[in-house]
Amino acid sequence: SQQGEEDPQALSIQEGENATMNCSYKTSINNLQWYRQNSGRGLVHLILIRSNEREKHSGRLRVTLDTSKKSSSLLITASRAADTASYFCATPLGGADGLTFGKGTHLIIQP
Amino acid sequence: GAVVSQHPSWVICKSGTSVKIECRSLDFQATTMFWYRQFPKQSLMLMATSNEGSKATYEQGVEKDKFLINHASLTLSTLTVTSAHPEDSSFYICSANRLAGETDTQYFGPGTRLTVL
Repeated sequence: SQQGEEDPQALSIQEGENATMNCSYKTSINNLQWYRQNSGRGLVHLILIRSNEREKHSGRLRVTLDTSKKSSSLLITASRAADTASYFCATPLGGADGLTFGKGTHLIIQP
Repeated sequence: GAVVSQHPSWVICKSGTSVKIECRSLDFQATTMFWYRQFPKQSLMLMATSNEGSKATYEQGVEKDKFLINHASLTLSTLTVTSAHPEDSSFYICSANRLAGETDTQYFGPGTRLTVL
């Protein structure tokens, strides 16, 4: 099964700075999703971008998708301490199948 | 809307016992639910797809006799870890599909932390 790869694996920045995380995947997709997971908790769906979209915004989040490079990026602008979490990209296996998750980026926002 | 709950949120059991974890979609019907496992500091791995009224579909490497899945209704799926051993200690997360626009959106439960002594 395909698997997304995020980089960096860990990122530490100062509050107020922008954070950028990247994700690469291996096969064709219908959509790509980004999730946030606070330590030891469940996942929160952040944003879904379809394969025919190149960029999508939601509040302080901006996601891009480059299907030719099979990559996506998640930008969090004006970061806050509450943004500290692990961020995962995920792609559907197809049909009603589950999601394949990347390894995740652990983001630390220092106050 | 689109809330998924899990029960229990954490469980500690002795080696050899069985543990049942429930996953419920509270405000929508889900014909398909998914079970994932997450080891510490690792990503989520899909274990199985649970379909209401039919047998679950297991991913390669997941023992179906060890991880029993039952999807008895459109709002409830259960995962039973049979004869649990310490290596089964993990964070188990379920999700449920809800059609949102043109694309299925998965909503995740808060997870169940299983510790097998």
